[in-house]
Amino acid sequence: EVQLQQSGPELVKPGASMKISCKASGYSFTGYTMNWVKQSHGKNLEWIGLINPYNGGTSYNQKFKGKATLTVDKSSSTAYMELLSLTSEDSAVYYCARGGYDGEMDYWGQGTSVTVSS
Amino acid sequence: DILLTQSPAILSVSPGERVSFSCRASQSIGTSIHWYQQRTNGSPRLLIKYASESISGIPSRFSGSGSGTDFTLSINSVESEDIADYYCQQSNSWPTTFGSGTKLEIK
Repeated sequence: EVQLQQSGPELVKPGASMKISCKASGYSFTGYTMNWVKQSHGKNLEWIGLINPYNGGTSYNQKFKGKATLTVDKSSSTAYMELLSLTSEDSAVYYCARGGYDGEMDYWGQGTSVTVSS
Repeated sequence: DILLTQSPAILSVSPGERVSFSCRASQSIGTSIHWYQQRTNGSPRLLIKYASESISGIPSRFSGSGSGTDFTLSINSVESEDIADYYCQQSNSWPTTFGSGTKLEIK
C-alpha cells in the first residue's frame, strides 16, 4: 500500500525557516517524482514544485523560487521541503503528493499545517 | 499560467441525483485534466485522470469527459459520502495549476 507520512503541525515565528518531511512507503521511491502543494484558507491549491528522487533534479513554480527548497534522502525514502523566511502569507497546509506518469498526483500525504505567528 | 475556472462554487443536490462539475481552461489543454475529491479535513484524492480515465478503487459512478477547454466531472447517483470539494488540475502546461474548486452539498 502506497503511503506518504508527513511530519506534524508547526508553529513558527516570522522570519524563521522550517522543514517538512514526507516519508514514502509501499513503492519504489526513486521511480516517481514527488510534488509539493500549498493549500491556503482551506481552499486554493498551488503547486510549489517537484523533485525527482532518482537524481535529485528539481522543478519549481516561479512563484515559490527562493521560498521553498526540495531535497530527498534516498536511504530513508523521505522527501523534504524547506520553507525560508516565513511570513503570515506562508501559513497554510502543505502536502506532498506522488507524481503519476501522466502529470496527475496519484497519492497524497495527510498534510502539514504551518502557522506563522509571533 | 493556465487559469482553470470551476463553476458553480457550490452545488446542492439530493441523494440519487446526477451531478456535473464544470472546469474551463483559459486555453486549449487537450485532455490533460485531472479531477480530485477533498473531503473535510482530508487530503485530495485522485478520481479521474486525463479527462476520462478511471482510477482503480474509485466508484464507477464517477466519470469525466471533455477536451480542449471544457471539461466535466459527473457523479451518476450522488451518495452522502460524496460531500466534498472537487478540484480540477491541468498538466498540459508548466506550471501545473488547479481550479478553485466546487463544493458539493447534499440537500
